[in-house]
Amino acid sequence: DAGVIQSPRHEVTEMGQEVTLRCKPISGHDYLFWYRQTMMRGLELLIYFNNNVPIDDSGMPEDRFSAKMPNASFSTLKIQPSEPRDSAVYFCASSFSRDEQYFGPGTRLTVT
Amino acid sequence: QKEVEQNSGPLSVPEGAIASLNCTYSDRGSQSFFWYRQYSGKSPELIMFIYSNGDKEDGRFTAQLNKASQYVSLLIRDSQPSDSATYLCAAPEGGKLIFGQGTELSVKP
Repeated sequence: DAGVIQSPRHEVTEMGQEVTLRCKPISGHDYLFWYRQTMMRGLELLIYFNNNVPIDDSGMPEDRFSAKMPNASFSTLKIQPSEPRDSAVYFCASSFSRDEQYFGPGTRLTVT
Repeated sequence: QKEVEQNSGPLSVPEGAIASLNCTYSDRGSQSFFWYRQYSGKSPELIMFIYSNGDKEDGRFTAQLNKASQYVSLLIRDSQPSDSATYLCAAPEGGKLIFGQGTELSVKP
């Protein structure tokens, strides 16, 4: 199995630009999670989906963030407009059960 | 929302020693716990999970759960420099995991 795939691995953009992060979960997994990790705040859950339906988006920081899962094999996290404080590593994870999550390699986002 | 607390460390142990990583949690109803290892610049990797009171062993790793004390620990025997990483404890809440802040472990040769 290829594991969770994320793209891009690194993204550098200017403040105000739109950023789209992509994730392909492990085939057969029915849960997908988006996390953000920073030194100050640690690992934060932003949103998670079950069977392509958003279940809990209480961690999404504000309206600038949006996430979609149009099918079982693809999800996006979009930030529009981006701000320097959005700089972080964004992880996607998937699971078959609700508990054992497997993480992708992450996208390191830098907003200048 | 339940809380999961870890000592951020760093915890430094000599090679070959036993490393003990600890985690406390606020919800007495928690039934299971997960330990993830995260190397610097890498993603978290699941290494152990425990569902019942007592010990669970997997190679050099032992997870211990004490529900009465709301305490879970991870012991690493014969620590190696390659074990140097941040260890994250997590407990499920609904469909998600609540992660602790992580404990940084450094194993000195």
